[in-house]
Amino acid sequence: AAGVIQSPRHLIKEKRETATLKCYPIPRHDTVYWYQQGPGQDPQFLISFYEKMQSDKGSIPDRFSAQQFSDYHSELNMSSLELGDSALYFCASGTGLSLGAFFGQGTRLTVV
Amino acid sequence: RKEVEQDPGPFNVPEGATVAFNCTYSNSASQSFFWYRQDCRKEPKLLMSVYSSGNEDGRFTAQLNRASQYISLLIRDSKLSDSATYLCVVNRDNNAGNMLTFGGGTRLMVKP
Repeated sequence: AAGVIQSPRHLIKEKRETATLKCYPIPRHDTVYWYQQGPGQDPQFLISFYEKMQSDKGSIPDRFSAQQFSDYHSELNMSSLELGDSALYFCASGTGLSLGAFFGQGTRLTVV
Repeated sequence: RKEVEQDPGPFNVPEGATVAFNCTYSNSASQSFFWYRQDCRKEPKLLMSVYSSGNEDGRFTAQLNRASQYISLLIRDSKLSDSATYLCVVNRDNNAGNMLTFGGGTRLMVKP
């Protein structure tokens, strides 16, 4: 069965650079979530989209933005990267309250 | 106070033991509930949904008490492969889509 696809899997950037992470949700899933997970921490909610419209915003820095496109894929854009942005970034997709969400394998971002 | 709280552990148990994890949530508008499992440096994977009537999947039993806003997970006959972090997740409709909130996770280590 198709799963959530994230790219790239690994990314190394320098401070103050820009990064773009991509997410391809499971077909027919209407909701996409982005999470950031630092070492030893639980996933922190960044932002979500429902039917291509932003539906909720969590602890996402102003330097970050995201959008969902007409083909339902989503991109997380991160600018002026800081060392503290180094983390695993997960995308998840889901449909309906009762069905939970399914996660991609994540993008490991390292800022040096 | 976090919206979803869990004992971080670690729980160190021998193979074959029974272990129980608890989770409390503060938002009474939460509508659906899940346990996820996360292995080190991997994505969270949906383990099971949690229903008020209680539900069982093999060695795993989940229970929800809406009045107390409390969720539990029981693992019987622990296996070495059960070693992971278990995340309690609640889902609510924020009128613009679903909102998944994670607990901090409970780490389980099963030893021979």
